[in-house]
Amino acid sequence: AQKITQTQPGMFVQEKEAVTLDCTYDTSDQSYGLFWYKQPSSGEMIFLIYQGSYDEQNATEGRYSLNFQKARKSANLVISASQLGDSAMYFCAMREFSGGYNKLIFGAGTRLAVHP
Amino acid sequence: ETGVTQTPRHLVMGMTNKKSLKCEQHLGHNAMYWYKQSAKKPLELMFVYSLEERVENNSVPSRFSPECPNSSHLFLHLHTLQPEDSALYLCASSQGPRGLNYGYTFGSGTRLTVV
Repeated sequence: AQKITQTQPGMFVQEKEAVTLDCTYDTSDQSYGLFWYKQPSSGEMIFLIYQGSYDEQNATEGRYSLNFQKARKSANLVISASQLGDSAMYFCAMREFSGGYNKLIFGAGTRLAVHP
Repeated sequence: ETGVTQTPRHLVMGMTNKKSLKCEQHLGHNAMYWYKQSAKKPLELMFVYSLEERVENNSVPSRFSPECPNSSHLFLHLHTLQPEDSALYLCASSQGPRGLNYGYTFGSGTRLTVV
């Protein structure tokens, strides 16, 4: 069974500073994918960044980067230069491929509050 | 506009009512999913449809009945629900079950309250 662990129920950061949101995962698969999603209060899940298990370089998307440490099975999200609009829930997820199809397994999430 | 549209956004229903949630995607995806998000719990996968065929049902109670008439539309029919079924129901789609998948596209969800 696969598992995603996000140990930080809540985090806060000052505007313009960087913040790291932790995620560890457990899998015996060699090929897998890791995702981060943002969920504002409106409820929509917004895709942020993706890291494949065979990708040698850490993924980056604008102010988002993924600190991928395969041996430690961690995939932390780093948000640089935080903005007030970054306040939201953040979910780490892993793609599981079984039975001929993909599905995403989510962690419990981290609520980020950005303070001015 | 996310490409995945869910209606209604909010729904209040009694335990004896019958209602349906609708999801529509215009992304050319051929796999669709229903997730349940309850307070203080991780997102739970309820149903997976691939090429309009249901491929997984994660032991969801029969009071939830999915329907996927074509690759663009997904419904969740609700009947005789319980108060603990109150949650945010999210629909998602992806490019397909076997291809590379760089993320699912989610709708904004339907916030359901059962009274």
